[in-house]
Amino acid sequence: NAGVTQTPKFQVLKTGQSMTLQCAQDMNHEYMSWYRQDPGMGLRLIHYSVGAGITDQGEVPNGYNVSRSTTEDFPLRLLSAAPSQTSVYFCASSPRDLYGYTFGSGTRLTVV
Amino acid sequence: EDQVTQSPEALRLQEGESSSLNCSYTVSGLRGLFWYRQDPGKGPEFLFTLYSAGEEKEKERLKATLTKKESFLHITAPKPEDSATYLCAVQATGGGNKLTFGTGTQLKVEL
Repeated sequence: NAGVTQTPKFQVLKTGQSMTLQCAQDMNHEYMSWYRQDPGMGLRLIHYSVGAGITDQGEVPNGYNVSRSTTEDFPLRLLSAAPSQTSVYFCASSPRDLYGYTFGSGTRLTVV
Repeated sequence: EDQVTQSPEALRLQEGESSSLNCSYTVSGLRGLFWYRQDPGKGPEFLFTLYSAGEEKEKERLKATLTKKESFLHITAPKPEDSATYLCAVQATGGGNKLTFGTGTQLKVEL
């Protein structure tokens, strides 16, 4: 039981490049979310999903896309990377509403 | 707009010196308040969920309480392994599954 697995752990991108941050969970959780964490700003919600085929925007969705074709996977796509997207990204999952999330170990992204 | 403010930003305690961390919140309607612990370089780890004023939950040396405006995380006789950043988050009515996080309290417990 691996929990929430995020890959890669570290990534450096050039401005304008695109990439996908991978997130997989093996706990059969319905709810999944992507957060970014920046110094002094706390965790901010990017996108979330309440089940396969269902996604919605969070607080800071611009520049990011998501899809949820299976219960297990919830990839986050950066369409055209910008320096403002330099951050630590966390994926999290939960079995149901109002239940504590299990977080992955994060992806540290630097855009130069 | 939902807001969560945590204080103090940083706290240094001696081993065994009990204290409390504060999380004050402003939401249209509270559905749940969450406490997480985050170690450096790792993702947050879930500790507690509180749903209504007056509720309390305990886990080892930690006890979380909730009022209509704030929550406290009481740490009794802390040990160095309790050193971490403690995050508070709220889930509000009308906000779907969105959590609004505070910026955290960085706790250091020294021998």
